[in-house]
Amino acid sequence: NAGVTQTPKFQVLKTGQSMTLQCAQDMNHNSMYWYRQDPGMGLRLIYYSASEGTTDKGEVPNGYNVSRLNKREFSLRLESAAPSQTSVYFCASSVGQVLSYEQYFGPGTRLTVT
Amino acid sequence: AQSVAQPEDQVNVAEGNPLTVKCTYSVSGNPYLFWYVQYPNRGLQFLLKYITGDNLVKGSYGFEAEFNKSQTSFHLKKPSALVSDSALYFCAVRDSRGGSSNTGKLIFGQGTTLQVKP
Repeated sequence: NAGVTQTPKFQVLKTGQSMTLQCAQDMNHNSMYWYRQDPGMGLRLIYYSASEGTTDKGEVPNGYNVSRLNKREFSLRLESAAPSQTSVYFCASSVGQVLSYEQYFGPGTRLTVT
Repeated sequence: AQSVAQPEDQVNVAEGNPLTVKCTYSVSGNPYLFWYVQYPNRGLQFLLKYITGDNLVKGSYGFEAEFNKSQTSFHLKKPSALVSDSALYFCAVRDSRGGSSNTGKLIFGQGTTLQVKP
């Protein structure tokens, strides 16, 4: 059981470039999430997918798009990267949207935009 | 609005001493509370949660947390710290109210770095 996996681990982009961050989980979870982590700010929710076929905005969605490809995979796309998107990105999953469920996190992608 | 505060950026303790990492919260309804730990260059790992019932919750690696409704706090504790406990700790909260507007979003504190010295 690999849990939640993310690719790539590191990425450097120039301003204006695009890229897609990949996330997959093998726990048969229904809900998946994308967060960004910035120093002193904790984690902030970018987008989430309550179940396969649905996606919705979180706290900081501007500049991002997502795709829930199937139950296992949830990708995050930066269409035109900006230096403000330099951050560490975490994907997470949970059994479902029942509020008592904890979330399980991937190892993260460290993104630098120059 | 929901919020979480971790008032200490860093906590320093000596190995073998008890440790406390503080967390206070604000929600409109009853809270669901979580603690996560992040080791360097790793993702967050779930430690423990409070949903309902006993105010003292036990979790992974010997950690426990005490829910105090009157003080709106959920402090993380361990009786005897280990050097390997050194990491970044996050408290998180959800509002237990249901309804279609509730997305189940976790609200995280800013994190507290725990440094355990030999």
